[in-house]
Amino acid sequence: GAGVSQTPSNKVTEKGKYVELRCDPISGHTALYWYRQSLGQGPEFLIYFQGTGAADDSGLPNDRFFAVRPEGSVSTLKIQRTERGDSAVYLCASSLTLGSGGQSRDTQYFGPGTRLTVL
Amino acid sequence: AQTVTQSQPEMSVQEAETVTLSCTYDTSESNYYLFWYKQPPSRQMILVIRQEAYKQQNATENRFSVNFQKAAKSFSLKISDSQLGDTAMYFCAFLRTNTGNQFYFGTGTSLTVIP
Repeated sequence: GAGVSQTPSNKVTEKGKYVELRCDPISGHTALYWYRQSLGQGPEFLIYFQGTGAADDSGLPNDRFFAVRPEGSVSTLKIQRTERGDSAVYLCASSLTLGSGGQSRDTQYFGPGTRLTVL
Repeated sequence: AQTVTQSQPEMSVQEAETVTLSCTYDTSESNYYLFWYKQPPSRQMILVIRQEAYKQQNATENRFSVNFQKAAKSFSLKISDSQLGDTAMYFCAFLRTNTGNQFYFGTGTSLTVIP
């Protein structure tokens, strides 16, 4: 089946603007994660959804960052008043919390990411 | 807090040879999972192999195998018969299971397979 998809693949914005990044998880996956990957680094956890609710948002760096998943499927990461330091690749992943269909429980399947550049 | 350390920023290997990538981690938990992910220039993170901490047997997936040493908190990845398509960044990741599903990633090892 289809994997995790993310749109846009690239986003260039100006400092101070608002951006939205979208993630469409694998169908049937109840858990969804957002990560931020800076150049030369491994992904850093931002937020984790179980269904519609944010189960852990401890990785969000400040209150300019917010994420929603209103219907328990697609998620949107929202960044207000963007800063140059927000430039990074934003990765989304999804997983099953109950294993079925050959997919390992808790294994996270990643999308291709959105490269955000703040000028 | 959990930390994952990959001490080899860059490695290279001749095509068809074997290479081992190292990973160590620090945790006080007894139940967890460990993963190796591959990230080619396309940015897509691809699962290579997964190990449950409660299993003593090392996981294998075709040309990929791990050496899991729980007491030493070591989780190395061995790639046999290296192929040009193995060129990528490799990330070791730790997943704790008792409180949430947060991954902790290492800083990665850039592997180049030389023809």
